[in-house]
Amino acid sequence: DIVMTQSPDSLAVSLGERATINCKSSHSILYSSNNKNFLSWYQHKSGQPPKLLISWASARESGVPDRFSGSGSGTNFTLSISSLQVEDVAIYYCQQYFRTPRTFGQGTKVEI
Amino acid sequence: EVRLVESGGGLVKPGGSLRLSCEASGFTFSDYTMNWVRQTPGKGLEWVSSMDYGGTYVFYADSVKGRFTISRDNAKNSLYLYMISLRPDDTAVYYCARDGAAMITDFWGQGTLVTVSS
Repeated sequence: DIVMTQSPDSLAVSLGERATINCKSSHSILYSSNNKNFLSWYQHKSGQPPKLLISWASARESGVPDRFSGSGSGTNFTLSISSLQVEDVAIYYCQQYFRTPRTFGQGTKVEI
Repeated sequence: EVRLVESGGGLVKPGGSLRLSCEASGFTFSDYTMNWVRQTPGKGLEWVSSMDYGGTYVFYADSVKGRFTISRDNAKNSLYLYMISLRPDDTAVYYCARDGAAMITDFWGQGTLVTVSS
């Protein structure tokens, strides 16, 4: 199985400041045929279902604020929140869909 | 509007069984691969099982293989998860989730809580 490891486990950021979450995969999730990274980022707020923010490592979903951005390739990826808002308090997960079983990182809790 | 509504969760004793259901609306259910994903208390998300749109291709996590069975009824726009030999570590919120393109899980239901305890 591909192991996804996030860092840090938790993060406290001031309002308006940048939050950066890292995700490392145990195996490259870059598919050479199309040069795409099979990685998604999800936001999970308490009492709500997870919400897809970013797919293909850097493609923001429709309606997701542009303060959220994804980057990286191969085995190392980053989710950045450029200016943290109150509504961004949540747990963030990366997930690889390169190979079954699709595995998640352990999650990063973002707080103000 | 895409909607996924899970039901069937509850309290069950170790070794017991339970069937979860997920009713879909707002999209053509028979066109999509569907999944079950769970969140265990204090832990993160774990993919459990997937079934393709036609019910031909089925996958399970090793942790549930042989104990859980995924199925679907496209005529009823419904997905199911039949769970037997339940263990305390199966305690979780179980989410029904849809795959969009290329196995990207793009929409999740609200979840149903399964508690395995004596």
